[in-house]
Amino acid sequence: NAGVMQNPRHLVRRRGQEARLRCSPMKGHSHVYWYRQLPEEGLKFMVYLQKENIIDESGMPKERFSAEFPKEGPSILRIQQVVRGDSAAYFCASSSTQPLPLAKNIQYFGAGTRLSVL
Amino acid sequence: GDSVTQMEGPVTLSEEAFLTINCTYTATGYPSLFWYVQYPGEGLQLLLKATKADDKGSNKGFEATYRKETTSFHLEKGSVQVSDSAVYFCALSDNNDMRFGAGTRLTVKP
Repeated sequence: NAGVMQNPRHLVRRRGQEARLRCSPMKGHSHVYWYRQLPEEGLKFMVYLQKENIIDESGMPKERFSAEFPKEGPSILRIQQVVRGDSAAYFCASSSTQPLPLAKNIQYFGAGTRLSVL
Repeated sequence: GDSVTQMEGPVTLSEEAFLTINCTYTATGYPSLFWYVQYPGEGLQLLLKATKADDKGSNKGFEATYRKETTSFHLEKGSVQVSDSAVYFCALSDNNDMRFGAGTRLTVKP
């Protein structure tokens, strides 16, 4: 059973370009979460999605950032017109849809995408 | 809202020393509590968990007990190794909403 897969692992963009980060959740999971980790800082929640729905985007910047989780395919975190301050590690996590409370509350993380903006 | 506060790092210990990383939480309901570990250049891995008061989570020599009376979930290990050097995150989850602490960096020296 493959874990949470994120790609690319490293992404370099110049200021003003677009960054697309992909996340495939664990098999059987339909809850996806995106977090940002700035250098030497903790994790900051960005957005929580289920298939075709954004459930909680309270941590997303109001401009330039968007996320989707289509019916088919991976979840995408999109950053338009990147700036140097967007340089960070972006982590995706997924959790189970099963009704078991022990299974439902555990989030499994991918290895992250490290975005560098030049 | 729900939140987690963990002791600030960095923490530097010698090999075989005793480790405690404090974590306290604020929650309106009855959350599950977790410790995650992040090794250099990697994502977060679940280290241990506890789902109700007085539960003790344990893994790889690490332990943490869910204390409802003190709203705490302190991480302990009796004898740390160099390979334990990592960043440790305390987290709570109520339904599908997970909140993380800021992380504590542990460095273990030989």
